[in-house]
Amino acid sequence: DTAVSQTPKYLVTQMGNDKSIKCEQNLGHDTMYWYKQDSKKFLKIMFSYNNKELIINETVPNRFSPKSPDKAHLNLHINSLELGDSAVYFCASSQVPNSDTQYFGPGTRLTVL
Amino acid sequence: AQSVTQLGSHVSVSEGALVLLRCNYSSSVPPYLFWYVQYPNQGLQLLLKYTSAATLVKGINGFEAEFKKSETSFHLTKPSAHMSDAAEYFCAVRKSSGNTPLVFGKGTRLSVIA
Repeated sequence: DTAVSQTPKYLVTQMGNDKSIKCEQNLGHDTMYWYKQDSKKFLKIMFSYNNKELIINETVPNRFSPKSPDKAHLNLHINSLELGDSAVYFCASSQVPNSDTQYFGPGTRLTVL
Repeated sequence: AQSVTQLGSHVSVSEGALVLLRCNYSSSVPPYLFWYVQYPNQGLQLLLKYTSAATLVKGINGFEAEFKKSETSFHLTKPSAHMSDAAEYFCAVRKSSGNTPLVFGKGTRLSVIA
């Protein structure tokens, strides 16, 4: 009964490839987020979706394209992967936009070689 | 714009000793403040939050934090450290109104020595 789940947990790929990370929440929340945590543990928001609509896009390169097929899912597709994309990507959800409490997934560690 | 500064990227305490993790914030409007904990290879978990009610906030696992507007601080404390407290701790801030995202500090790694 995992609240926020992500797949895959680990992803190793070559530069230039295209990859996707999936996120699902079973909490009935309206809002979902993607965060990037770099090698120095710095955590920064990338996107936020509310009811399948984009509400926050924090100057992320357009190689990153989030897609929300329904309220329970927010997938992250990355084109033309670069070395600097290596990081841990966290999905999160909350009841409403920027609610007091966000629930985080376990993270996906992406390594670009 | 909102920001938080966590003093000390690594704090080491003995088991049973006081835990003090420092966080100072900057905000142009009244802030909401949060502490999250990240255990190894896991996602973040909310420890506690300040949302303009009581200035002394109690969270899970015996942690508490006090909002001090005069010092623009929201330090996290626990009277007695336990080995299981070893983790990365993140302070975060956001505006108390409007549609704004959480802004996280750079984290403080807490080590607990037996």
